[in-house]
Amino acid sequence: DVKVTQSSRYLVKRTGEKVFLECVQDMDHENMFWYRQDPGLGLRLIYFSYDVKMKEKGDIPEGYSVSREKKERFSLILESASTNQTSMYLCASRRDTGKSRYEQYFGPGTRLTVT
Amino acid sequence: AQKVTQAQTEISVVEKEDVTLDCVYETRDTTYYLFWYKQPPSGELVFLIRRNSFDEQNEISGRYSWNFQKSTSSFNFTITASQVVDSAVYFCALSAPSTGGFKTIFGAGTRLFVKA
Repeated sequence: DVKVTQSSRYLVKRTGEKVFLECVQDMDHENMFWYRQDPGLGLRLIYFSYDVKMKEKGDIPEGYSVSREKKERFSLILESASTNQTSMYLCASRRDTGKSRYEQYFGPGTRLTVT
Repeated sequence: AQKVTQAQTEISVVEKEDVTLDCVYETRDTTYYLFWYKQPPSGELVFLIRRNSFDEQNEISGRYSWNFQKSTSSFNFTITASQVVDSAVYFCALSAPSTGGFKTIFGAGTRLFVKA
């Protein structure tokens, strides 16, 4: 079974703090994704990575950066957290070849509150 | 334009009723993939099914069935004899070359309430 884990289920941070959200997958997937989910806005893609040290901007990259130093780990960084970044953050991974290609497997989510 | 529309925002049914969740998609690609995901109250999205554009066969898995019709650009999901545990938000999604490297576009989701 694919396992995607995220470092925290709930996180409370103060405005201006630097925030790290970690995601680890154990299925050797090439691609990893960070989404945020807000009521009424659905899932929006922040960044994705198709290989180690590679990254691509998604639909809403402003205020975020990412890091992928190892294949299994994809980190989302909020350089200076703001209240409008209060949200549910979901990490996902997938492979683009083989029987299960393009199927995304999600972590449990991190509910971040910025006060 | 690549788009996924789930017109039903919320559906409420009584246990044992059958319920169909609608999904309509738009894409200019001939090769594409459609998906359904379930998000229970715990928050984690769970993959349910993938369909590619060349396979219009309907699929049944237990109480779940999916109807893919290219002629109407629809990929509907039916739960037969619904149960309280089916209460969740269900997302339909599309991946295609024109979404940008087969990135996934999600519909807005349909929240299903199943009452005992």
